[in-house]
Amino acid sequence: GAVVSQHPSRVICKSGTSVKIECRSLDFQATTMFWYRQFPKKSLMLMATSNEGSKATYEQGVEKDKFLINHASLTLSTLTVTSAHPEDSSFYICSARTNTAYNEQFFGPGTRLTVL
Amino acid sequence: QQQVKQSPQSLIVQKGGISIINCAYENTAFDYFPWYQQFPGKGPALLIAIRPDVSEKKEGRFTISFNKSAKQFSLHIMDSQPGDSATYFCAASSQGGSEKLVFGKGMKLTVNP
Repeated sequence: GAVVSQHPSRVICKSGTSVKIECRSLDFQATTMFWYRQFPKKSLMLMATSNEGSKATYEQGVEKDKFLINHASLTLSTLTVTSAHPEDSSFYICSARTNTAYNEQFFGPGTRLTVL
Repeated sequence: QQQVKQSPQSLIVQKGGISIINCAYENTAFDYFPWYQQFPGKGPALLIAIRPDVSEKKEGRFTISFNKSAKQFSLHIMDSQPGDSATYFCAASSQGGSEKLVFGKGMKLTVNP
């Protein structure tokens, strides 16, 4: 149990285009999901906290107009990178937190974004 | 200011040996301490987690030791195997884990055959 999927796993796009990444909790409901960014050989950097049915909370320094987050259901959150540029190239990972007293966070497999 | 300090940054052990990763935290409000394992190109996987009501938790070859007074916790991997070679992250959260996770910088473990 506690499986989180991400789609796509890899995406290559041209500079200026927008890319949408989906994060799904497959076997549990998640009121709260998180979006992270990870640079090579670095730790996870939290970008935003996504709550079902409400606006996402962005970490300091993260442009909310560039990284649009939608959490429309208890099993799906999406991250849209708008007007992507080469510096947005990175490994994006989502996580979903269980709606139980344990509050465990399970991560998706990640999405490798390359902006040309 | 880094709130969770992880050491060492890298570790090489022989097959069958014990791998030990240490983490120290500053925020006394932290009350949930998970460990994640990450292989290259993959998302982190939850390995084991501990809460302050116990000082040790064991699951298979993985054991967390927790020292609340010292604000430290560690992961011990017994009988380390080449398949354990990965990056390990400690993390901490407050409000029983309902707050966001604060991650350590990670430790790359290499287990030689």
